[in-house]
Amino acid sequence: NAGVTQTPKFQVLKTGQSMTLQCAQDMNHEYMSWYRQDPGMGLRLIHYSVGAGITDQGEVPNGYNVSRSTTEDFPLRLLSAAPSQTSVYFCASTSGGWASGGDTQYFGPGTRLTVL
Amino acid sequence: DAKTTQPTSMDCAEGRAANLPCNHSTISGNEYVYWYRQIHSQGPQYIIHGLKNNETNEMASLIITEDRKSSTLILPHATLRDTAVYYCIVRVGSNYKLTFGKGTLLTVNP
Repeated sequence: NAGVTQTPKFQVLKTGQSMTLQCAQDMNHEYMSWYRQDPGMGLRLIHYSVGAGITDQGEVPNGYNVSRSTTEDFPLRLLSAAPSQTSVYFCASTSGGWASGGDTQYFGPGTRLTVL
Repeated sequence: DAKTTQPTSMDCAEGRAANLPCNHSTISGNEYVYWYRQIHSQGPQYIIHGLKNNETNEMASLIITEDRKSSTLILPHATLRDTAVYYCIVRVGSNYKLTFGKGTLLTVNP
C-alpha cells in the first residue's frame, strides 16, 4: 500500500491563479479530509468527505472547493489563489472504524504552496 | 470536542522516558483521547488513543486519570528521532474530525 499520496510536493502560484491539489489513498477508506498548517500553528480542517459524493465544510473552507467522485481521490481546488493561502496542505484518510473511535487517521506528506 | 492544554515545550535526555502531559478537564464521557506527533515538515503520525483505560502499543503508553480530566503520553526510551511536536486531541467517536492545538515540542537531547 502506498497509503496517502499527495501531488505536487511544492507549488508556487501567482495571486489569482487557480490550481488543484491532488490526494489519493489506496486503503479503501471512506473518510478523507484536507487540513492546512500555517507556520507555528496546528492543523486546521478545510473540507472533509464521509464517502464518495458527500463533502462538507470544515473550519476554514473559504477559497477552497472539493469533490469526491471516487473513494480513492479527494482533490482540493483553489479557485483564485491569494497570499493568505500560502501554507502547507495535508490530506488524511481513515476507515469507517473512525466513527466508533476505534481507528486512526493517516496523513499524506503534504503540499507546500506559496502564493505570490 | 473538549479543549486540551499542553505545555509549549519539553526537553528529555536520550534514553530516558519522556512524559508528556495533557489537560482535558472538560472531556465528556464519550470522548476519546488521541495522541499524534509531527516530525518537522512531515504529515502527522498517529501514536495511540484511549477512552478510559490505560493503553500501550509498540510506540508509547497512554495513562488516563480516573476522572479522565488529564492524561500522560509516555515514550519509554526516547531517541533523537522522537524530537517532534506532540498533539493531544479529544474527540467524540461519532465526530471524525480532528481538532489540532499547538501541541508540545519535545526535544530529545543527546
